[in-house]
Amino acid sequence: KQEVTQIPAALSVPEGENLVLNCSFTDSAIYNLQWFRQDPGKGLTSLLLIQSSQREQTSGRLNASLDKSSGRSTLYIAASQPGDSATYLCAVEGYQKVTFGTGTKLQVIP
Amino acid sequence: EAGVTQFPSHSVIEKGQTVTLRCDPISGHDNLYWYRRVMGKEIKFLLHFVKESKQDESGMPNNRFLAERTGGTYSTLKVQPAELEDSGVYFCASSPLGLAGGYEQYFGPGTRLTVT
Repeated sequence: KQEVTQIPAALSVPEGENLVLNCSFTDSAIYNLQWFRQDPGKGLTSLLLIQSSQREQTSGRLNASLDKSSGRSTLYIAASQPGDSATYLCAVEGYQKVTFGTGTKLQVIP
Repeated sequence: EAGVTQFPSHSVIEKGQTVTLRCDPISGHDNLYWYRRVMGKEIKFLLHFVKESKQDESGMPNNRFLAERTGGTYSTLKVQPAELEDSGVYFCASSPLGLAGGYEQYFGPGTRLTVT
């Protein structure tokens, strides 16, 4: 059974800092891994999708890496802004199933 | 406590037919969300109910998709008529409604829709 863990559960940083969010999964037989952000009371917003054959994806200030063999992914946020405050979720897709992580709640302090 | 359930788990239909997907959220959860993942692409938001009202339906792809949540309990997502590009996995999620928001969304197992 796939288990997805995100550490830390919560993170508070001053504006402008670079930061890294972590996602670990127990079964490396995945098709892809996706990062989302969740704003209070809203649906999930897709940030980045990494296919199992890829090592990383970049979008603006975001960079996500994937190391399938070690069961880890990181989401790097450069020059954080107060608008980045949200909960960040990772989700891994395996055979006929998507498993979501526990989430990291990020607060960027102006 | 039962989690979010979805029915059916898998549906195979022909192009032009109609399919109705059902989602039963966790009891007491006023927020209900629909998402879908089409083949090879990322999971994307479709719409959000708060009780029986549509809070945000900005992700609905076109008017062939109709979502309802009568009585604020279970929700249905109807695709009529289905097209080949509608194939994918449709996820439902629910969460409690609170003043501060930001509650964790609990996801169902998804319905895999195949349009041939």
